[in-house]
Amino acid sequence: GAVVSQHPSWVICKSGTSVKIECRSLDFQATTMFWYRQFPKQSLMLMATSNEGSKATYEQGVEKDKFLINHASLTLSTLTVTSAHPEDSSFYICSADEGTGGRETQYFGPGTRLLVL
Amino acid sequence: AQTVTQSQPEMSVQEAETVTLSCTYDTSENNYYLFWYKQPPSRQMILVIRQEAYKQQNATENRFSVNFQKAAKSFSLKISDSQLGDTAMYFCAFMMLTRDDKIIFGKGTRLHILP
Repeated sequence: GAVVSQHPSWVICKSGTSVKIECRSLDFQATTMFWYRQFPKQSLMLMATSNEGSKATYEQGVEKDKFLINHASLTLSTLTVTSAHPEDSSFYICSADEGTGGRETQYFGPGTRLLVL
Repeated sequence: AQTVTQSQPEMSVQEAETVTLSCTYDTSENNYYLFWYKQPPSRQMILVIRQEAYKQQNATENRFSVNFQKAAKSFSLKISDSQLGDTAMYFCAFMMLTRDDKIIFGKGTRLHILP
């Protein structure tokens, strides 16, 4: 089946620094990628939808200047948490669909655990 | 706006028993997909089963089956012959095929399979 990877799997950083998380589709081209945030024992909350070659669409309440998303190729999307603070500590998950003919199936990455000190 | 409701925050059953997880949703659309995802302690999201709204036949994947009641907007998951490896968080999810294909997740049901 299709595989989505994320890097890094976990990261610890100091408050005020920026952190970049990569999401890659390994064996398929992903027209659309999604970024989610998950707090402990809670559900996945969609942060933004990322389309290759265009600006991301952010969900209401998500600061686009805080969470920068770049979908530069059909296999790579990045999420940059700028000037991270402790409240940004969370589990970030990306997913990708295969586009036409496979839009109803999204493949999830293994997630990235971010801890901001 | 579409919503997904899982009314059982946590459940426990003995190994080999059958368990049913409930899910209801709200939408005014006619064409959509419903999913059950499993999230084990590793936190990797795993697709368990998928149902197309236009199909009347309930989806089945080995020990997993759904009871899809479109008029009632209900989509329950039945796990037969439960195994210890089924212990996980289970999320019911809804997706409409639109330009952005967003998935909306329920709050989840934590399922414990007891030895």
